[in-house]
Amino acid sequence: KQEVTQIPAALSVPEGENLVLNCSFTDSAIYNLQWFRQDPGKGLTSLLLIQSSQREQTSGRLNASLDKSSGRSTLYIAASQPGDSATYLCAVEGLNSGYALNFGKGTSLLVTP
Amino acid sequence: EPEVTQTPSHQVTQMGQEVILRCVPISNHLYFYWYRQILGQKVEFLVSFYNNEISEKSEIFDDQFSVERPDGSNFTLKIRSTKLEDSAMYFCASRRRVGTGELFFGEGSRLTVL
Repeated sequence: KQEVTQIPAALSVPEGENLVLNCSFTDSAIYNLQWFRQDPGKGLTSLLLIQSSQREQTSGRLNASLDKSSGRSTLYIAASQPGDSATYLCAVEGLNSGYALNFGKGTSLLVTP
Repeated sequence: EPEVTQTPSHQVTQMGQEVILRCVPISNHLYFYWYRQILGQKVEFLVSFYNNEISEKSEIFDDQFSVERPDGSNFTLKIRSTKLEDSAMYFCASRRRVGTGELFFGEGSRLTVL
């Protein structure tokens, strides 16, 4: 059964710092990995989708990498801003999961001014 | 920009009552999903729906749950007889294709069972 783990569980940084959020998964047989942002009491906003054949994806200040063989992904946020404060979720779509996404518990990020 | 919409945003119900949560997926999407998130826990898959039938369901999705696409635009989740442990945020999601397609979520319906 696919297990998705996100480290750290919580992170507090001053504005302007570059930071890395980590995601690991136990079964490397995946279609893709998707990063989401969740604001308190709100829905999930898709940030980046990396296909299993890709190594990374970039959108603005965000860069996500994927190392499928080692079961790891990182989300890099450059020049963090207070508006980046949210919970970041990693989700894996496995070949053996019937196209369902398997989520990690998330990293709660606080960027202080 | 097209989005997934969900109603109601919050529903409070008594244990044992039936609840219907409604979703309007993005119009050209073909695959529809319900996920839930109990407070403080991870987002969990409930059910996927394609071509007017369930394509996959989790062990959470027992006989108390059902889904329907009654009219080609709405996608509903029914909980027949709610339990306290059904209290959660329920998210609807949709996408155009599986495997390579990005999944888009609605804002969620918060269900509180008393």
